[in-house]
Amino acid sequence: QVQLVQSGAEVKKPGSSVKVSCKASGAIFSNYGVSWVRQAPGQGLEWMGGIIPLFGTTNYAQKFQGRVTITADESTSTAYMELSSLTSEDTAVYYCAKGTLPSIYHYYMDVWGKGTTVTVSS
Amino acid sequence: EIVLTQSPGTLSLSPGERATLSCRASQSVSSSYLAWYQQKLGQAPRLLIYGASSRATGIPDRFSGSGSGTDFTLTISRLEPEDFAVYYCQQFGNSPWTFGQGTKVEIK
Repeated sequence: QVQLVQSGAEVKKPGSSVKVSCKASGAIFSNYGVSWVRQAPGQGLEWMGGIIPLFGTTNYAQKFQGRVTITADESTSTAYMELSSLTSEDTAVYYCAKGTLPSIYHYYMDVWGKGTTVTVSS
Repeated sequence: EIVLTQSPGTLSLSPGERATLSCRASQSVSSSYLAWYQQKLGQAPRLLIYGASSRATGIPDRFSGSGSGTDFTLTISRLEPEDFAVYYCQQFGNSPWTFGQGTKVEIK
């Protein structure tokens, strides 16, 4: 049973950065892709980008390009999402999710973490 | 960017009724790259349907998906109390991957 365990809630000041982790258990980490999806309060889901740990390749939504960095550490089966230059608009729940099919490059997200709340406030 | 438009925004139905949710894409989406998710308040999304019509593991057969090209549908044949939630369609064939804005299925 694959599980994704995310790091705890964060409160950040505007202009700072946040780094959220997502640790996988119960599956071979490098066999799938990991995406990050966020949800602002009362809003829908927004895909930020993803990584294929096996290759270290990343794909970011244009909206976040230059501000988001997604990395993975295969030795600890952990993926990370770092978002910089935070504003109040970045207040949201951040989810990691993994998938493998139909391909490691294009996958439906079959396992999700519980989410990490990031609050940006002065 | 492929825009997914879900309708209606809110569906008010009673338990036992049939729910039909629509997802329309701004350009053609391969069925292989279309999924539906369910999200309950305070919870992470859960995969319901992948490949436009295949049920994910453990999903009851009252949930079904259909469609192709630019028009996709999620149908719940008989609503159970636990089905009242928000439903999102998603395409992951073209970057950026995008979600519809969601359809809320609420108790009438």
